[in-house]
Amino acid sequence: DTAVSQTPKYLVTQMGNDKSIKCEQNLGHDTMYWYKQDSKKFLKIMFSYNNKELIINETVPNRFSPKSPDKAHLNLHINSLELGDSAVYFCASSQDDTNTEAFFGQGTRLTVV
Amino acid sequence: AQSVTQLDSQVPVFEEAPVELRCNYSSSVSVYLFWYVQYPNQGLQLLLKYLSGSTLVKGINGFEAEFNKSQTSFHLRKPSVHISDTAEYFCAVSEGDLGGNEKLTFGTGTRLTIIP
Repeated sequence: DTAVSQTPKYLVTQMGNDKSIKCEQNLGHDTMYWYKQDSKKFLKIMFSYNNKELIINETVPNRFSPKSPDKAHLNLHINSLELGDSAVYFCASSQDDTNTEAFFGQGTRLTVV
Repeated sequence: AQSVTQLDSQVPVFEEAPVELRCNYSSSVSVYLFWYVQYPNQGLQLLLKYLSGSTLVKGINGFEAEFNKSQTSFHLRKPSVHISDTAEYFCAVSEGDLGGNEKLTFGTGTRLTIIP
């Protein structure tokens, strides 16, 4: 059983489109995260949710909107995609928001053309 | 604010040789420290972590790291590397005041390439 699963694994889309990436964790964790990894492999946190409540929102354009229907799911919706949004997006979860260990999904490689 | 520096962006090492990947951090409070590994086209996997206690931490795949508070370092070591260790290695820090809302801050990664 995959602990943190993301879909899709690859996503190629045109500029201006709206797309969503889904994430589910079956670890019973309270906290989930979205990270962005750019072309230089730099990883940066975007959002963090604890028990469906937004607790971290880094400086991210408001075209990015996370949604947590329950604590096992954290989806990422992106409006009006831009070329600069091309990156690998990682979902992660941890037991609670003290983040003593985060478990990562396999990543979604988003390519905007 | 916390930050992590990985000075070496690429480290080539011959198979069965030892390796050390360097990591330095800065933080105004106590920290938790982590090393993650990312194999090609895969997600991140935790190698090891330091939360408290013994400063020498052993992880998976024969890796270990030593927390040095005076030098604010958490270098990763392995005495004998294998071809399968070829990957990107990320050092990360989380401020350890247990106040909640913690987040991992990652270094820029070190690409370890094992030469046969």
